[in-house]
Amino acid sequence: QKEVEQNSGPLSVPEGAIASLNCTYSDRGSQSFFWYRQYSGKSPELIMFIYSNGDKEDGRFTAQLNKASQYVSLLIRDSQPSDSATYLCAVRGGSRLTFGEGTQLTVNP
Amino acid sequence: GAGVSQSPSNKVTEKGKDVELRCDPISGHTALYWYRQSLGQGLEFLIYFQGNSAPDKSGLPSDRFSAERTGGSVSTLTIQRTQQEDSAVYLCASSWQGAKETQYFGPGTRLLVL
Repeated sequence: QKEVEQNSGPLSVPEGAIASLNCTYSDRGSQSFFWYRQYSGKSPELIMFIYSNGDKEDGRFTAQLNKASQYVSLLIRDSQPSDSATYLCAVRGGSRLTFGEGTQLTVNP
Repeated sequence: GAGVSQSPSNKVTEKGKDVELRCDPISGHTALYWYRQSLGQGLEFLIYFQGNSAPDKSGLPSDRFSAERTGGSVSTLTIQRTQQEDSAVYLCASSWQGAKETQYFGPGTRLLVL
């Protein structure tokens, strides 16, 4: 089992729809959770982080964390073509971040 | 202020040669990380520096890989006797104070070993 797993994708949604990206992790001691967006050929950029169970909202983005289920998700409301990218889930335990392999999202106009 | 910078942006080398990759973190950030990203893959942790503490080298894939950080700022990742499987994008990230803080990534160095 991989330490961090993301839904395999690619995921395609129409413009204006909600995109749902999911991530599970194996280490129950994980402390904090991050979503990064990576455009093709570019480096990752942080979208959101979440430490506590529940929802955290920032504009069109909502991160959801359920530590009991070892599950973290990212919802993108009113998806835009500019949201088309690969989304990386990262989990911190100790000094390092462990990344999933990413989910490629395409938002169709 | 300036973000994380890396050089060179692209490097093509022949199998068996040594390469050095440079990272200049955000000013004031004490933590520095190196990752590797192969085509279509997630990021693989390589090494972590925090202040004057001993680095966490647990992600280095072989003894051909080494890294140092001079004066708590600039870091150099060295790959000796490069192999074709070393071809990847090498990303550096830095953060304020360390493991609990958000990491900011540089643009990466694209390494191609022929």
